[in-house]
Parts: sequence; C-alpha cells; structure tokens
Amino acid sequence: DVKVTQSSRYLVKRTGEKVFLECVQDMDHENMFWYRQDPGLGLRLIYFSYDVKMKEKGDIPEGYSVSREKKERFSLILESASTNQTSMYLCASSLGHQAYEQYFGPGTRLTVT
Amino acid sequence: DQQVKQNSPSLSVQEGRISILNCDYTNSMFDYFLWYKKYPAEGPTFLISISSIKDKNEDGRFTVFLNKSAKHLSLHIVPSQPGDSAVYFCAALDYSFSGSARQLTFGSGTQLTVLP
Repeated sequence: DVKVTQSSRYLVKRTGEKVFLECVQDMDHENMFWYRQDPGLGLRLIYFSYDVKMKEKGDIPEGYSVSREKKERFSLILESASTNQTSMYLCASSLGHQAYEQYFGPGTRLTVT
Repeated sequence: DQQVKQNSPSLSVQEGRISILNCDYTNSMFDYFLWYKKYPAEGPTFLISISSIKDKNEDGRFTVFLNKSAKHLSLHIVPSQPGDSAVYFCAALDYSFSGSARQLTFGSGTQLTVLP
C-alpha cells in the first residue's frame, strides 16, 4: 500500500518567513510532485522531480524552490512567504517514467498572514 | 488558459440516482484521462481512467465515457451513494510524451453531494 506523508497538516506562517514543506513516500517511486490546490483552479503543478537531485519546473514555479536529496523525500521551499501563497499544498509520487497514476499525500493547509 | 475544464463546480443528486460529472479539454495531444476523488482533509485518490483508443471504461458503479471529437469526457456513477460525496477531479496527459516524467493536467473539480 503506497503511503505518501506530509510533515504538517496545518501551518501558519508570517509574511517573509522561509517555509519548508516536507513529503516522504515509502514505495521507492522515482517521481515526486508538488501541487497547490485553490478553489476554482484545481490542482496546479509547482515542481516535480524524476530522480534524486533532479527537478523540473511545473506550471507555477515562481516563489518556490524544491530539494530532493534522497529518493523518498521531496521538499518544497517558500523562500519568503507571501499572502498569495496561502493554499492547500499536495505532494504526490508515481512509480517510473511511464507511470501515469499518482499517489497523493493528505495535504498541508498553509496560511500566510 | 485552462486546458482541462470542469464547468460545474457542484452537483447534487438523490441517493440511488445517476451522477454525471463532465469534463472538457482543449489540448488535442491529450490521449489518456483519469478521474480522481478527494474527500476533505485527504489527498486525491485515483478512481478510473480511459485511453483515447476506447470510448468507454467501466469499473463497478463507475463508468467513464470519452468523446474524442467533442473533446469531452464524463463520469457516470450508478447508483449514487452518500459515501460518493466528494470533490471529483478530471485529469489528462499526453501519453506519448517522452519527457522525464508523465505530468497530469487537472481540472478545477466538481463537488458532488449525494443526498440520502
């Protein structure tokens, strides 16, 4: 059973703070993804990683960076949080290059005040 | 501009009746489609998928129909149950894409409420 966990369910940060969101998967998946979910906009891809230390920008990478030092862990970093980054953040993983099915974590509700 | 659109933000149906959730896409390169279901405080979970070489795929109470010429797909749930109440996301991908990893493009979601 695939399990994707995220470090926090709820997080409140102040504008300008550096924020780290952590994601861990336990199924040895090659690919990991970070999305944000906003009302009326669905899930939008921020960044993804297809291997350790490899990353690619998604549709909305501005204001974010990522880190993947180990295969099972993918971190999303907000260098200087802003109020427009208040959102639900979802991490996902998938098995390999050909895989289309993604497995999601429970999400982190981030509020930036 | 959204390439995958779910124009109905919400849908209410009576228990036992049919739920029909719709999805439209604009990118003609999309050739594989998935539906995900999301309960509050949980991540989305995969429900059913369809390849563009088919026009229908069935799994128990769930059937997905694909009309390629109209660039439209729909998810039918029969009979609907209160436990089906959730947000349903349509997602699409270009199956032939040979980049580093397959990326899904999601719609905005439809909140389904099944009334007892």
